[in-house]
Amino acid sequence: DTEVTQTPKHLVMGMTNKKSLKCEQHMGHRAMYWYKQKAKKPPELMFVYSYEKLSINESVPSRFSPECPNSSLLNLHLHALQPEDSALYLCASSQDEAGKDTQYFGPGTRLTVL
Amino acid sequence: AQSVTQLDSQVPVFEEAPVELRCNYSSSVSVYLFWYVQYPNQGLQLLLKYLSGSTLVKGINGFEAEFNKSQTSFHLRKPSVHISDTAEYFCAVSENSGAGSYQLTFGKGTKLSVIP
Repeated sequence: DTEVTQTPKHLVMGMTNKKSLKCEQHMGHRAMYWYKQKAKKPPELMFVYSYEKLSINESVPSRFSPECPNSSLLNLHLHALQPEDSALYLCASSQDEAGKDTQYFGPGTRLTVL
Repeated sequence: AQSVTQLDSQVPVFEEAPVELRCNYSSSVSVYLFWYVQYPNQGLQLLLKYLSGSTLVKGINGFEAEFNKSQTSFHLRKPSVHISDTAEYFCAVSENSGAGSYQLTFGKGTKLSVIP
């Protein structure tokens, strides 16, 4: 099983709402990632968790709050977002954080902020 | 920091014709190179990767790529494309961001459109 699942598929929220994105993998991977992808652009790394600890935060605004409750789950908590935060949010996982490892991507959550 | 340049933003090609998608990277150290494909409204899927050894790498769906260290290139090729190959293709390099952590740096992508 090489599947990374993400819920919800689509999310529409207002600027005052609080919502969460969820990501799950059962491949025994120890590294998990959040990316943001705007239309017609490559994915941009937001956060990396390695062995359930945050190892990289790419200077992401505090209105995005990641959480890794266990080795299979990764959440992204959203609060007070701006319309420019509308994008496809991709989760990925890899065996480890080593450079050689393949990252497996989920299908993404398409977020619209009104 | 490393960078990845995909020289063509769009490549139209007729069905059953060959295609080459170009990728150049900048690095003064050993690199790990990847090609990912993204079909419409989906996540990314690995096509192939170069870690070391043979410079010709074969991947899924009939794609292959050649690592050329002297030209710092990693071009993707397929001898005969199908309609189903229509997608966005991203070249990426794995970069050591410090303290043993690595992250992928993606090129801007090449949109491959296969024309019937």
